[in-house]
Amino acid sequence: EVQLVQSGAEVKKPGESLKISCKASGYIFTTYWIGWVRQMPGKGLEWMGIVYPGDSDTRYSPSFQGQVTISADKSITTAYLQWSSLKASDTAIYYCARQALSQNRHFDYWGQGTLVTVSS
Amino acid sequence: DIQMTQSPSSLSASVGDRVTITCRAGQSISWYLNWYQQKPGKAPELLIYAASSLQSGVPSRFSGSGSGTHFTLTISSLQPEDFATYYCQQSYNTPRTFGQGTKVEIK
Repeated sequence: EVQLVQSGAEVKKPGESLKISCKASGYIFTTYWIGWVRQMPGKGLEWMGIVYPGDSDTRYSPSFQGQVTISADKSITTAYLQWSSLKASDTAIYYCARQALSQNRHFDYWGQGTLVTVSS
Repeated sequence: DIQMTQSPSSLSASVGDRVTITCRAGQSISWYLNWYQQKPGKAPELLIYAASSLQSGVPSRFSGSGSGTHFTLTISSLQPEDFATYYCQQSYNTPRTFGQGTKVEIK
């Protein structure tokens, strides 16, 4: 059974760093892209970027390029999303999702989400 | 970025109604269009991929159509568990942008 299990909720102050995780199981981790999606409070879904754990190739949305770092550690089948200096506007739920192998490249499995709250 | 525009932003409907949601792309995306359902407090779930392919386990009352720039999601007979927010997403290129969402509420 494919599962993506994300790390727990975080409360941070502006300027602090953070790394959240997405532990994958039930499939060959290195052969599927994993993406991250942001959902700000009461808002829609925003595609942030994807990483290919096989070779760590990464693609970012221009809106998030330079603002976050997406990575993966294939030895522990885990993807990461990290910030070096959080802002209040980073407050959101962050979802990881597996990109299907099909030519269509949809997200077929999702994590449960990680709530990140940034407040002074 | 390819802009995705959904209409309406919200709708009220009754159980048993036929519901149609439209998604328009800012440029041709062939059939690289997906639909997701999100219930309050839950992660999104895939309903339709490649414009019209039903994801395994999704009820057959959901269907998708379209190609190029104009797409539709249809629920043939709305059920109580279908009240949720629906998002389209293009997977033609990166960033794989989402529409703003359509909230389906109980009339």
